[in-house]
Amino acid sequence: QQPVQSPQAVILREGEDAVINCSSSKALYSVHWYRQKHGEAPVFLMILLKGGEQKGHDKISASFNEKKQQSSLYLTASQLSYSGTYFCGTLPGGGNTPLVFGKGTRLSVIA
Amino acid sequence: DAGVTQSPTHLIKTRGQQVTLRCSPISGHKSVSWYQQVLGQGPQFIFQYYEKEERGRGNFPDRFSARQFPNYSSELNVNALLLGDSALYLCASSFGSGGSNQPQHFGDGTRLSIL
Repeated sequence: QQPVQSPQAVILREGEDAVINCSSSKALYSVHWYRQKHGEAPVFLMILLKGGEQKGHDKISASFNEKKQQSSLYLTASQLSYSGTYFCGTLPGGGNTPLVFGKGTRLSVIA
Repeated sequence: DAGVTQSPTHLIKTRGQQVTLRCSPISGHKSVSWYQQVLGQGPQFIFQYYEKEERGRGNFPDRFSARQFPNYSSELNVNALLLGDSALYLCASSFGSGGSNQPQHFGDGTRLSIL
């Protein structure tokens, strides 16, 4: 079951904040976040495991609420380099179940 | 250290032909996964191999096959190409057998165009 990401696209000015949401109809074991710039490979950002932990990567952080079956990615004080498409990947089961990616959220940061 | 490398970077084929895509994982990584990404969509899982054994298969027809070699590199084969096979094919490697706490490291992909 493909996770649903929202919004589909967002435009920010440098320094503004954004939140990208990822939700699933299935119970989640973990959530992965990746960023893909145009014409490039997806780049790993972070993994969140069951337990509701929040992780950070520079000024990008994320939370995971397994009861609500959703994760949110927080981008604060956005920079031009944050532009790209953000994908969440969910693991509905543990072990070796494959990642199921959402359709992505296109983020554009303008000066 | 070198990242995940894929070859070729671009490929143009015609309907009905066959294609082989290649992937070398990050040194020390034993798991390789293949994904298909069409424009505007997220990567869609095709196969995962770990220690030369298939560990998972996505919802793709039997025209798609793959294998992993003793050096952990991998090939993806697609037979009887269709127009709908046009996509970016991504290879990703991970250290262990995959799972919830293993990040996937992607290569730059092979862009396959079917005429």
